[in-house]
Amino acid sequence: KAGVTQTPRYLIKTRGQQVTLSCSPISGHRSVSWYQQTPGQGLQFLFEYFSETQRNKGNFPGRFSGRQFSNSRSEMNVSTLELGDSALYLCASSLEGLVTGELFFGEGSRLTVL
Amino acid sequence: AQSVTQLGSHVSVSEGALVLLRCNYSSSVPPYLFWYVQYPNQGLQLLLKYTSAATLVKGINGFEAEFKKSETSFHLTKPSAHMSDAAEYFCAVRTMDSNYQLIWGAGTKLIIKP
Repeated sequence: KAGVTQTPRYLIKTRGQQVTLSCSPISGHRSVSWYQQTPGQGLQFLFEYFSETQRNKGNFPGRFSGRQFSNSRSEMNVSTLELGDSALYLCASSLEGLVTGELFFGEGSRLTVL
Repeated sequence: AQSVTQLGSHVSVSEGALVLLRCNYSSSVPPYLFWYVQYPNQGLQLLLKYTSAATLVKGINGFEAEFKKSETSFHLTKPSAHMSDAAEYFCAVRTMDSNYQLIWGAGTKLIIKP
């Protein structure tokens, strides 16, 4: 069974640009959640999508957005990039969502903002 | 508000020695508790979880954790460390209060000395 796939794995952007990251969950999983990981702030929850609906949202500004498609693939977008957005962005899929806490993570997309 | 504290950002043990990674939580309701592991350049992987059944939980790779309500702790142990255990370990708590979001600890990097 294929795992969670995130693309791209690495990317470099400049301040003010926008970026879109993609996540393909494990087949059959309807929940996709996104996390930002930085050395200073650790793991922070961005949002969760379940069957194309945003079900949970963390405390991030509106520049961070996401969506989920009918095939459960998800994208997250960050607009007007800031230096502080440099981070590893992790996507996790789950059969039943955050309620079980059992998440399957991708390897992440490492974003560097210059 | 729920919180998770992991004592020690780095823990160093010799190969073959006992591994003890500490996690304390605060929660106003019975929690679900988790340990995840992140190997270098990879996403997180679930090691084990506590969901109010047995207080001693066995996970993968020989790890186990004991839930102690009186101490609000969920420490992770392994009797004999192996070089392949070198990774970062995250404790997380999920309660209904947090709308099922996982609250993550800051992580503990486990270093194995040969």
